[in-house]
Amino acid sequence: GNSVTQMEGPVTLSEEAFLTINCTYTATGYPSLFWYVQYPGEGLQLLLKATKADDKGSNKGFEATYRKETTSFHLEKGSVQVSDSAVYFCARGTQGGSEKLVFGKGMKLTVNP
Amino acid sequence: GAVVSQHPSWVICKSGTSVKIECRSLDFQATTMFWYRQFPKQSLMLMATSNEGSKATYEQGVEKDKFLINHASLTLSTLTVTSAHPEDSSFYICSAWGPSYDEQFFGPGTRLTVL
Repeated sequence: GNSVTQMEGPVTLSEEAFLTINCTYTATGYPSLFWYVQYPGEGLQLLLKATKADDKGSNKGFEATYRKETTSFHLEKGSVQVSDSAVYFCARGTQGGSEKLVFGKGMKLTVNP
Repeated sequence: GAVVSQHPSWVICKSGTSVKIECRSLDFQATTMFWYRQFPKQSLMLMATSNEGSKATYEQGVEKDKFLINHASLTLSTLTVTSAHPEDSSFYICSAWGPSYDEQFFGPGTRLTVL
């Protein structure tokens, strides 16, 4: 079926630590892939996306590369900040902005000073 | 990015009553709106997709007679939970998309508690 599997937290890191959140997907064809972030008390925001194989999405120091061969879209950041504390969701969709999205379970990240 | 609001942000109701949740796109015209449900520590599950002026398309397993969706204008969609029961207690989130954008914009969510 079509699904998204991501690391489940919660995870607590110290400031400036390296972050990796694994995400793999199953789908027919080559869906668009997304990372959304939900800060406390706010709605989901698009963090980054990739629409085809080998694309790299990047934003706010976060990066993720669309790996077709491993059906993965792992999120990384070299040095996290306290302000990165949030819940991170991996998602897959289809081409275009009006697509349905299938979400992973989300991972809560807490960054301590 | 564009802004999507939801009202109310939280609601408590008695079992058997109906509750209406509004989703508004504040600064753009949303031709498509999505309604999601999120259980604690679980993923967002798509409930239905609504296109302005037409009937909503419900995902498998979602009761369309229980979760009534109306998308009568380009800036407003409503979700009505009819004859609510405690098992309907959840966090309901909407998102909106318009042709000016290539992404969906999410509302902050509505916490429903049915006593």
